[in-house]
Amino acid sequence: GENVEQHPSTLSVQEGDSAVIKCTYSDSASNYFPWYKQELGKGPQLIIDIRSNVGEKKDQRIAVTLNKTAKHFSLHITETQPEDSAVYFCAAQSSGGSYIPTFGRGTSLIVHP
Amino acid sequence: DGGITQSPKYLFRKEGQNVTLSCEQNLNHDAMYWYRQDPGQGLRLIYYSQIVNDFQKGDIAEGYSVSREKKESFPLTVTSAQKNPTAFYLCASRPGLLSGDGYTFGSGTRLTVV
Repeated sequence: GENVEQHPSTLSVQEGDSAVIKCTYSDSASNYFPWYKQELGKGPQLIIDIRSNVGEKKDQRIAVTLNKTAKHFSLHITETQPEDSAVYFCAAQSSGGSYIPTFGRGTSLIVHP
Repeated sequence: DGGITQSPKYLFRKEGQNVTLSCEQNLNHDAMYWYRQDPGQGLRLIYYSQIVNDFQKGDIAEGYSVSREKKESFPLTVTSAQKNPTAFYLCASRPGLLSGDGYTFGSGTRLTVV
């Protein structure tokens, strides 16, 4: 089955800095890669996603890049703000089987004012 | 506004009790899911349902049961057979099981054994 590794587990930055979270996956059939943000005590929220026919996608201060050859994808947050502090999860999903995503273990991002 | 509602937000279970967590959605989604979240771990799939009156076991179904009598509702029962039920439980949905889309999650239920 699919295996998703996410690094780092904790990331601490100063307000205004950039933050990068990386995920690797094992199944070359995976073709959909969502990212979720989970604030304390709340459910995860989909913030950006990318499909395998695209190498990069941006939405304001966040972007995701995908390298299919190396089987890794990354979340980039620029000009970080304290409200970006949360746990971020990546996931990989293939169109085979039941389309159930495999999640990474999460990255706790702390943005210091 | 469309969304997923989980209730209660906090739930306490005594040893040997069964408890039921509610999940209701008004997004007209066919597929619904239950996940368990423990500190430092990813999301682990308990059960999922593609359509009314049908559901499938996930990776950690032992000690749990579900029903899907209505499209909008997918309750999860944590039975006394679940030996370590203290966790944060998340319900999610998406348009269809074979949908290449992300999930919409509820706000979660925190279950604690007392």
